Amino acid sequence: DQQVKQNSPSLSVQEGRISILNCDYTNSMFDYFLWYKKYPAEGPTFLISISSIKDKNEDGRFTVFLNKSAKHLSLHIVPSQPGDSAVYFCAAGNSGNTPLVFGKGTRLSVIA
Amino acid sequence: GAVVSQHPSRVICKSGTSVKIECRSLDFQATTMFWYRQFPKQSLMLMATSNEGSKATYEQGVEKDKFLINHASLTLSTLTVTSAHPEDSSFYICSAKLQDRPLDLFNYGYTFGSGTRLTVV
Repeated sequence: DQQVKQNSPSLSVQEGRISILNCDYTNSMFDYFLWYKKYPAEGPTFLISISSIKDKNEDGRFTVFLNKSAKHLSLHIVPSQPGDSAVYFCAAGNSGNTPLVFGKGTRLSVIA
Repeated sequence: GAVVSQHPSRVICKSGTSVKIECRSLDFQATTMFWYRQFPKQSLMLMATSNEGSKATYEQGVEKDKFLINHASLTLSTLTVTSAHPEDSSFYICSAKLQDRPLDLFNYGYTFGSGTRLTVV
């Protein structure tokens, strides 16, 4: 049973435009959500997070939106840059000493 | 900030041998560490939760006798892949979670190692 789902395996966006990466979850007990960027053969790099009590969090070019009723979150990157090309993972967690649960990732390609 | 150091970054071993991967928390104590595995173009799948001073908790489908986890100190957890086979070739990543006020942190205290690329030939 996949608790965190990223249904788009890949996304291609023109440089300067907006990239929107989506994530759905099934477990309503998750307290917070995180987005990671990952390159091959490297550990994930933290990008941005959002608490379940908020609906938006912004950090520079990155904004995460959370729709709790729909159990859906999205990461917006604007403007997209070629250096943003990587695999992006959505992850969810809850309070306590528990591991993060990851989606399958979306490969973003930003075309110059 | 909290740093988790993972070694080696890549290793090639012969089929049937054992390989040890180390994960160290450099500037904090980690009572719990998590071990993930990533196959090509796949997600990070949790293998086990490593608890300092006690037995690890393995996820369903992960063989505990094959993937030995030892968490003998508050700063070190090791994963040993025993009698490695080519199908064990994968990318292994460790993670630790800060226990001291993690909710105050943007990353909620989760820190990841840089990963180990294991190739069994």
